[in-house]
Amino acid sequence: DIQMTQSPSTLSASVGDRVTITCRASQSISSWLAWYQQKPGKAPKLLIYMASSLESGVPSRFSGSGSGTEFTLTISSLQPDDFATYYCQEYNSYLTWTFGQGTKVEIK
Amino acid sequence: QLQLQESGPGLVKPSETLSLTCSVSGGSISSNTYYWGWIRQPPGKGLEWIGSIYYSGSTYYDPSLKSRVTISVDTSKNQFSLKLSSVTAADTAVYYCARQGGAAPRYWGQGTLVTVSS
Repeated sequence: DIQMTQSPSTLSASVGDRVTITCRASQSISSWLAWYQQKPGKAPKLLIYMASSLESGVPSRFSGSGSGTEFTLTISSLQPDDFATYYCQEYNSYLTWTFGQGTKVEIK
Repeated sequence: QLQLQESGPGLVKPSETLSLTCSVSGGSISSNTYYWGWIRQPPGKGLEWIGSIYYSGSTYYDPSLKSRVTISVDTSKNQFSLKLSSVTAADTAVYYCARQGGAAPRYWGQGTLVTVSS
């Protein structure tokens, strides 16, 4: 089974900061990596798919990079609406999904 | 636009079986491209994949839940279902259904909270 290790688990930042979250896969998943944003009481919202493709309607301050086993989500200039929890997800096999542990982005 | 909607009891007693249904609209569950999955999220915790099913009935389950999980599909109703037996308080969670496969895993239900309590 593929394991996904996400870091950090918590991140304190200020509005306007550049924020980077890392996700590492235990084996190569090519580019089959998605990033989600989740706010309390809401379903996860897809931000990035195929490691670097921006989902329609998602602000361009969000970007994803990486392939193989190392991936990053970057928020270029943190906005008030961005304080949330972020999850990476591998979907290398359409049969199974594996999620990272999540990163909570808090107000510094 | 594809939509998924979970339904089922919000309260289940310990040792009983949790049963949920996901209704799919705006597209056919019989597509040969996709699997249909269940994910859960305990309160304050992360996302956990439970299992998935193909329209033909082929299933894949997370090994840690495999002994208690059954996922089934009803193509005539465009629905798929989850049964989780012998539940405990640890199974209290928001349960989501989603479409698996394709380049972008964008189709999820809004989730339904199931509480295990006597």
